[in-house]
Amino acid sequence: AQSVTQPDIHITVSEGASLELRCNYSYGATPYLFWYVQSPGQGLQLLLKYFSGDTLVQGIKGFEAEFKRSQSSFNLRKPSVHWSDAAEYFCAVAALSGGYQKVTFGIGTKLQVIP
Amino acid sequence: DGGITQSPKYLFRKEGQNVTLSCEQNLNHDAMYWYRQDPGQGLRLIYYSQIVNDFQKGDIAEGYSVSREKKESFPLTVTSAQKNPTAFYLCASGKTSGDQGTQYFGPGTRLTVL
Repeated sequence: AQSVTQPDIHITVSEGASLELRCNYSYGATPYLFWYVQSPGQGLQLLLKYFSGDTLVQGIKGFEAEFKRSQSSFNLRKPSVHWSDAAEYFCAVAALSGGYQKVTFGIGTKLQVIP
Repeated sequence: DGGITQSPKYLFRKEGQNVTLSCEQNLNHDAMYWYRQDPGQGLRLIYYSQIVNDFQKGDIAEGYSVSREKKESFPLTVTSAQKNPTAFYLCASGKTSGDQGTQYFGPGTRLTVL
């Protein structure tokens, strides 16, 4: 069975600083990987996804993520954080299970942005 | 605009009552999902459906029931058997082929048991 670990429950960064949110996964084959963002009281919005090919994927809102198979990681990055990026971020992995693509989510990383 | 709608946004229930959460999508997706979200626990799968008139239990199905009579609709009933139903409930939909597990989410329903 697949699993996802987000080691940082809460991160605080200054506006304009760079950001990296960590995600490690466990899955035997090539995983399908996702990052979602959730504002308080809202649903999840897809930021980006990795299926195959170029290991550096670009997403919406200026985010990117890099797939590193050797480290079983899919870290999310942004060069300069804006106050509107304050939200909770979820990493997820999809894998075939019982005839469908089962998606397993991490517990989330809450990002606080200070002026 | 295509998307997923959930209603109501907030729902209050007395103990011992059943309550139904609505989820509708116009994305023409075959698959639909219900998740429960609690602080510090991420999302946990309650039920999913890959085709009309068929659905499967997820990881925490006890105390919940669903139906899938139409492709667009996947309502979730929280029954009185659910011991701790206060939570944020998210509905999602996706394709069953291609797009490798990408799911699109509704805005959620917050259920509070009084």
